[in-house]
Amino acid sequence: KAGVTQTPRYLIKTRGQQVTLSCSPISGHRSVSWYQQTPGQGLQFLFEYFSETQRNKGNFPGRFSGRQFSNSRSEMNVSTLELGDSALYLCASSVKSGNYNEQFFGPGTRLTVL
Amino acid sequence: DAKTTQPPSMDCAEGRAANLPCNHSTISGNEYVYWYRQIHSQGPQYIIHGLKNNETNEMASLIITEDRKSSTLILPHATLRDTAVYYCIVRVSGSGNTGKLIFGQGTTLQVKP
Repeated sequence: KAGVTQTPRYLIKTRGQQVTLSCSPISGHRSVSWYQQTPGQGLQFLFEYFSETQRNKGNFPGRFSGRQFSNSRSEMNVSTLELGDSALYLCASSVKSGNYNEQFFGPGTRLTVL
Repeated sequence: DAKTTQPPSMDCAEGRAANLPCNHSTISGNEYVYWYRQIHSQGPQYIIHGLKNNETNEMASLIITEDRKSSTLILPHATLRDTAVYYCIVRVSGSGNTGKLIFGQGTTLQVKP
């Protein structure tokens, strides 16, 4: 079974631009969560989608948004990029939402903002 | 904020057991203890989880104290490939809860030859 895939793996943008990252969950998984990882703040939860609905959102500004499609694939968008948005963005999928479900992480997208 | 406390780093000799402690003194009765690890530049990997009984799988064992205020992850025979950051996480159980994981700073385990 293929794992969680994220595209692109690496991305370089400049301040003020916007970026869209994509995540394809494991086949049959309906829940997708997004995380941001930086050296200073560590791993922080961004949001979770289940059946095309946002179920939970972390403490990030409105410039960070996401969506999920009917095939469970998810995208996250960051508008008006700032230098501090440089990070590893990880997505994780699970069969369904909730505590009992092990989350499988993708390899991440490394975003660099210049 | 993370509800767990872990030592920032630990060393272990290859072939020996690695015992990684975690303090979760404010854990509630319906909260599970989860362990993930992250090998450099990869996504975190699920290891094991438990509520109050000790658990074992092919990767590790999880020992939870009787009062549930602390736990220990045991890698029985550490290899160089076990060098990683290990995260201890508590999660609320029950329906309606989401997939949100709150990561702390974790323990960097260095396995040495």
